[in-house]
Amino acid sequence: DQQVKQNSPSLSVQEGRISILNCDYTNSMFDYFLWYKKYPAEGPTFLISISSIKDKNEDGRFTVFLNKSAKHLSLHIVPSQPGDSAVYFCAAKETSGSRLTFGEGTQLTVNP
Amino acid sequence: GAGVSQTPSNKVTEKGKYVELRCDPISGHTALYWYRQSLGQGPEFLIYFQGTGAADDSGLPNDRFFAVRPEGSVSTLKIQRTERGDSAVYLCASSLDRVSHEQYFGPGTRLTVT
Repeated sequence: DQQVKQNSPSLSVQEGRISILNCDYTNSMFDYFLWYKKYPAEGPTFLISISSIKDKNEDGRFTVFLNKSAKHLSLHIVPSQPGDSAVYFCAAKETSGSRLTFGEGTQLTVNP
Repeated sequence: GAGVSQTPSNKVTEKGKYVELRCDPISGHTALYWYRQSLGQGPEFLIYFQGTGAADDSGLPNDRFFAVRPEGSVSTLKIQRTERGDSAVYLCASSLDRVSHEQYFGPGTRLTVT
């Protein structure tokens, strides 16, 4: 069973516009969420995270929103830049656990 | 200054052979993780070490897979009698300790079993 799902395999946006990447989860025990960015032939790079006690966390151009009742989170990138083009993975974790559970990833393409 | 390093970056082996994949975590990080990523999928958890001991090996797919971390730093993932289905990118990650949520990944080892 896929406990973390990213339903959009790809997203294309214009440079300067907002990119919104979505993620849904089913396991109510998850209470910490992370976004990773991955370029080809590299490992995932940590981007931003949020605890379940918050509903928003912001870091520069990146903001993550968490809706616990809907078991949904999203990553907003504004303004989008061509260098943001990569695969973005949503991951979830139980505070008491060790493993990260990942979604399938969304390929973001930012067009100049 | 290093991040997590993994060797080799690529490994091609024949079905039935034995392989070892190495991970060197960030200095001072006590927690180490192995994941496997197949094409078009997100990374899947294999095993977690806290110090020298495997605290959670529930993600290992079968007993052909084994991992060690004898001195609490470098770890080796060992796969016996490789099968074509083992072909994937094997990722290693480390975190500062068992309570730190953020895990930092290496570049991975691409394993191809022919």
